[in-house]
Amino acid sequence: GAVVSQHPSRVICKSGTSVKIECRSLDFQATTMFWYRQFPKQSLMLMATSNEGSKATYEQGVEKDKFLINHASLTLSTLTVTSAHPEDSSFYICSASVPDPRDEKLFFGSGTQLSVL
Amino acid sequence: GENVEQHPSTLSVQEGDSAVIKCTYSDSASNYFPWYKQELGKGPQLIIDIRSNVGEKKDQRIAVTLNKTAKHFSLHITETQPEDSAVYFCAASTGYSTLTFGKGTMLLVSP
Repeated sequence: GAVVSQHPSRVICKSGTSVKIECRSLDFQATTMFWYRQFPKQSLMLMATSNEGSKATYEQGVEKDKFLINHASLTLSTLTVTSAHPEDSSFYICSASVPDPRDEKLFFGSGTQLSVL
Repeated sequence: GENVEQHPSTLSVQEGDSAVIKCTYSDSASNYFPWYKQELGKGPQLIIDIRSNVGEKKDQRIAVTLNKTAKHFSLHITETQPEDSAVYFCAASTGYSTLTFGKGTMLLVSP
């Protein structure tokens, strides 16, 4: 399957700092990428849809000023958690779809475990 | 919106046995049903998927069945191995990559 690379895999930061997470599609161009959040032993919760060259679309209840998304190229989307607090600690996962209208599939990155102290 | 129910939440089997995980969906417009395997601390991995114009799909030890009338689909794993132990998520989509996930099934395969 297609490869989606996510970095870093783990980050620990102090409360009040900002953290940037990168998501790259390695062998295909992704006009759309998605950012999910996952709490322990729970399912994936869609946070936002990232569109190349335009503003991201956020799900209801997700603060767009807290979770800044930039999709500057067809292979890179970034999620910045601004002024992080302990309640932002979570597993963040990005995904991208292979743009084949006949067989569209969604592939996920390896995830980023964010711990805010 | 779409609602996906997944059962069971946990499943324990002996190595070599079969495992079946079932999901139901609410939106009859859903037309794409992928299954993902997630190991601890990793992102979900697509293992098999099925579209609404097909009733069954198989890939080695893994198969998925879809009943559009009843709006349910199932994952079947035969000859389970310890490395199959993970959390499995079903999902349903009505359009472009907008997946709704089930709550997951933790599968434990004992040697």
